[in-house]
Amino acid sequence: GAVVSQHPSRVICKSGTSVKIECRSLDFQATTMFWYRQFPKQSLMLMATSNEGSKATYEQGVEKDKFLINHASLTLSTLTVTSAHPEDSSFYICSAFLGTPNTGELFFGEGSRLTVL
Amino acid sequence: AQSVTQLGSHVSVSEGALVLLRCNYSSSVPPYLFWYVQYPNQGLQLLLKYTSAATLVKGINGFEAEFKKSETSFHLTKPSAHMSDAAEYFCAAKIIFGSGTRLSIRP
Repeated sequence: GAVVSQHPSRVICKSGTSVKIECRSLDFQATTMFWYRQFPKQSLMLMATSNEGSKATYEQGVEKDKFLINHASLTLSTLTVTSAHPEDSSFYICSAFLGTPNTGELFFGEGSRLTVL
Repeated sequence: AQSVTQLGSHVSVSEGALVLLRCNYSSSVPPYLFWYVQYPNQGLQLLLKYTSAATLVKGINGFEAEFKKSETSFHLTKPSAHMSDAAEYFCAAKIIFGSGTRLSIRP
């Protein structure tokens, strides 16, 4: 199956700093990637849809200026958490869609656990 | 708008017993449904998907799910639970996820 890789898998940062998380599709091109946030023992909350070459589409309630998404190439999308605060601590998961709209599927990265001190 | 409801945030069964995890969807368009499994601190792994080819879908690790349009359901089952099945399970309608069900297996 297709492989999606996230980096870093774990990151600890100080409050007020910015953190970048990378999501790469290793063996396929992904025009669309999705970023999710998962709180402990909870489901995945869709944050935004990342489109190659255009602006990301954010879900309601997600701060665009806090969570910067860049999809500069067909194999890489990045999520930057700007001026991080402890409440931004969470598990962030990316996924890339492969296939046609009605028969394709999502492939997920391994997730990145962010801890803001 | 699509939504997915998983009844039961936690299900506990004995090893060897039947596993039944419930999922209901609401959608104004033909559904495109998935079941995923997540182990602690890991990403999601696809168990199976429904794409309208067949109502009974077989997945990995002995899991299967049946799409029932009349009930708007896509419940996940496994005839005999194994200790290694303990994990979090998510039902999804394309990119929208249910709240998840934690499956525990009793020895």
